Amino acid sequence: ELKVEQNPLFLSMQEGKNYTIYCNYSTTSDRLYWYRQDPGKSLESLFVLLSNGAVKQEGRLMASLDTKARLSTLHITAAVHDLSATYFCAVGTWDNQGGKLIFGQGTELSVKP
Amino acid sequence: ETGVTQTPRHLVMGMTNKKSLKCEQHLGHNAMYWYKQSAKKPLELMFVYNFKEQTENNSVPSRFSPECPNSSHLFLHLHTLQPEDSALYLCASSSSALARISPLHFGNGTRLTVT
Repeated sequence: ELKVEQNPLFLSMQEGKNYTIYCNYSTTSDRLYWYRQDPGKSLESLFVLLSNGAVKQEGRLMASLDTKARLSTLHITAAVHDLSATYFCAVGTWDNQGGKLIFGQGTELSVKP
Repeated sequence: ETGVTQTPRHLVMGMTNKKSLKCEQHLGHNAMYWYKQSAKKPLELMFVYNFKEQTENNSVPSRFSPECPNSSHLFLHLHTLQPEDSALYLCASSSSALARISPLHFGNGTRLTVT
């Protein structure tokens, strides 16, 4: 059974600081997704990582994937208050009937002035 | 506007009630999903439909009954629920459950409270 674990689960950081959220998963997959959820809102797709060594960047967020280590990271550079949200990683798993995403617990990020 | 619309946004129901959650997607997708989001727990996949056929039932109790009449609509029929079923129920869609690249597009969810 595929398990996806994120850490930390809660992260309080100051504006301007850097930090990394980690996502570990238990079985082989080459599709890793990052989502953002604001309170009371839907999940918004941030990144889709498709292969070992993939790196994607959007603004102050950068995501990477190491399929051999079964690890993805979401790096936050010079955090700003607008980045406060809950971040989820999800791992894709497929069989001949189709696919599904298994989500981590989420990391609740709070950026303080 | 996310392209995936869920109604109602909030629902309070007693344990003996019967209610239904509705999800509609306007993205031309062929796969639809129900997820349950409880406090302090990961999103739990409940059901997957691909081209109107159910391809996944993740050991969901029979008091939850999904229905997918076409690729654009998905329902979750609820009856004799328990208080622990209180959660945010999220609908999502993707181009196809067989498409390995396509991310899921989520609706805003229905906040369900069972009293």
